[in-house]
Amino acid sequence: DIVMTQGVLPNPVPSGESASITCRSSKSLVYKDGKTYLNWFLQRPGQSPQLLTYWMSTRASGVSDRFSGSGSGTYFTLKISRVRAEDAGVYYCQQVREYPLTFGSGTKLEIK
Amino acid sequence: EVLLQQSGAELVRPGSSVKISCKASGYTFTDYYMHWVKQRPEQGLVWIGRINPANGNTVYAEKFKSKATLTADKSSNTAYMQLSSLTSEDTATYFCTRSGRDSYAHKNWGQGVMVTVSS
Repeated sequence: DIVMTQGVLPNPVPSGESASITCRSSKSLVYKDGKTYLNWFLQRPGQSPQLLTYWMSTRASGVSDRFSGSGSGTYFTLKISRVRAEDAGVYYCQQVREYPLTFGSGTKLEIK
Repeated sequence: EVLLQQSGAELVRPGSSVKISCKASGYTFTDYYMHWVKQRPEQGLVWIGRINPANGNTVYAEKFKSKATLTADKSSNTAYMQLSSLTSEDTATYFCTRSGRDSYAHKNWGQGVMVTVSS
């Protein structure tokens, strides 16, 4: 199985600052079509996860352009610009390159 | 509007089974995969498996192959997950989530079903 390893944030992050969340995969997530099969989600307390980006850097419909995904085949970053209180929660990366699909353990973001 | 409406919370006895549902609306049910995800209290997300409602084809994570059974009813646009031989380790919230067959982007999620296994 592909193992997803997420980094830790130096919480809390001051409102208005930027935050970068990292994720590393044990195998390249680039498929033969050239796309990178990596999703990012935000789960706010008591809510279902919300898709932020897919194919590593494509923002989901309705997601603020303050969220941007980037990376290589095995190392990924979700950058959140000008963080707001509503960005607080746990962020998960997920590889969808191959079965079984696997998630990272989550990165908690707290806002000051 | 795409909606995934899941059934209500369940309190079940150890050793029993439970079947939870996920009713889809707002899109063509057979055009998307339906996945199921487990989240134990205060823990992370674990992928259980997915079903292709168009033909019933399923893929499971190894650890859930003897635990979960995924089915889909095209006539009612409803996906189901049955969990068997329940133990305290199965106490969790279970989410259904749809994805595109090409992107695997989980754009929509159900509200989650809390299953509590207790005697």
